[in-house]
Amino acid sequence: DVKVTQSSRYLVKRTGEKVFLECVQDMDHENMFWYRQDPGLGLRLIYFSYDVKMKEKGDIPEGYSVSREKKERFSLILESASTNQTSMYLCASSLYRTGSYNEQFFGPGTRLTVL
Amino acid sequence: GDSVTQMEGPVTLSEEAFLTINCTYTATGYPSLFWYVQYPGEGLQLLLKATKADDKGSNKGFEATYRKETTSFHLEKGSVQVSDSAVYFCALRASGGYQKVTFGIGTKLQVIP
Repeated sequence: DVKVTQSSRYLVKRTGEKVFLECVQDMDHENMFWYRQDPGLGLRLIYFSYDVKMKEKGDIPEGYSVSREKKERFSLILESASTNQTSMYLCASSLYRTGSYNEQFFGPGTRLTVL
Repeated sequence: GDSVTQMEGPVTLSEEAFLTINCTYTATGYPSLFWYVQYPGEGLQLLLKATKADDKGSNKGFEATYRKETTSFHLEKGSVQVSDSAVYFCALRASGGYQKVTFGIGTKLQVIP
């Protein structure tokens, strides 16, 4: 089975802190994604990556950056956390970059609270 | 841009009731359509998909038909169980290009015994 793991299930940080959220997949997938999930807004794409060192902005990239130094690992970085970044963060991966749709496999999520 | 519209809920049903969750979309070309499900405390998982008009996706007793004329992909199940309680997301992927998916807001389903 494909496994997508996220470094923490719950995280509490203070305003202004630098925050790292880590995601690892074990199935050699090319694509990796970061979403945030908020009530009434559903899932919104922050960034995605289709290859090592490659990244593409999603719908809401402001205030975030990402890093993909190895194929299996995709990090989301909040350079200076703010209270409006309190949310559930979901990581996902899928097999191929293009072509017909590849199912996205999701991690369990990290619930981040910024105080 | 692409968008997906579904009701947020919650939808509360008794066990063995009939379920319909409506989903409509806006997209250019011929998108692929999906339903994902999120059980409590878990990430999302693909429930079913349809890649062209009039296709019917089905899985675990759930069905949805891709209707291009009404730009809809409604989810149905004939008899729900308590274990179906979850949040259901309708989603689309535009034709061509990267594997980016647009999700709806999610509909919470509660099934009571």
